[in-house]
Amino acid sequence: EPEVTQTPSHQVTQMGQEVILRCVPISNHLYFYWYRQILGQKVEFLVSFYNNEISEKSEIFDDQFSVERPDGSNFTLKIRSTKLEDSAMYFCATDREVGTEAFFGQGTRLTVV
Amino acid sequence: AQRVTQPEKLLSVFKGAPVELKCNYSYSGSPELFWYVQYSRQRLQLLLRHISRESIKGFTADLNKGETSFHLKKPFAQEEDSAMYYCALSSGNTGKLIFGQGTTLQVKP
Repeated sequence: EPEVTQTPSHQVTQMGQEVILRCVPISNHLYFYWYRQILGQKVEFLVSFYNNEISEKSEIFDDQFSVERPDGSNFTLKIRSTKLEDSAMYFCATDREVGTEAFFGQGTRLTVV
Repeated sequence: AQRVTQPEKLLSVFKGAPVELKCNYSYSGSPELFWYVQYSRQRLQLLLRHISRESIKGFTADLNKGETSFHLKKPFAQEEDSAMYYCALSSGNTGKLIFGQGTTLQVKP
C-alpha cells in the first residue's frame, strides 16, 4: 500500500538554526498538509498546500515557516530560525481529494536545543 | 470557534466490554467528522468517517447534530484495539483537520 514518507525521523538542531523537514506524498495525491504535535498536546494544523500554493495556514505558521514543492515530488517544511518551542513531532499528510482521507507520514521528531 | 473535545484522556476496559469514546464538536457549518487511530509505534490512520457510515473493525460512530457529538462505539473490545484515538473535524474547503486531544484506549485481558 502506498505510504507518505517523511525524513528525517528525528532531527536535533540548535536554536536559531534553519531546518528543513521533507515529505514524499503518495503519487496521485494533490492536497498536502503539515501538522505538529507538541509533547502531551493535541495535533495542530499548520498549513495546507494545493496547486503549488498555500490554501490555508494557521496562526502558528508565521514568517519563520515556509513550504514548497520544489521538484514536483518532495513537499518540504522549512523553519528559518528555530526556537525551543518549535520542538514537536511534525506530521505530513496528503489527500487525493479534499476532505476524503488524509494519509499521514510517520512523523519527524524535531528537538531544538 | 471550531473545536473538537474528547473529554477522556484515558479509557481502560476489559476485553469483551463495550467501549464508547466520546467526541463533541463545535462548528458553525455542516461538519465532516472523522476518527483517526494511532497504534503503538505506527502512524495516524483513518478509522472511519461519518459520511461513509461504515463499521470498521467493529467500530461505529453516529453523527448527532443535536448534541454535536460523534462518539465512537464498539460492543466488545479486543486487546488489539488498544491505541490512541483522535476525533477530527474537517473544516472549510481546504481539508484542514481540527483534532481533539485524543483518548488512549487500554483494553485489558
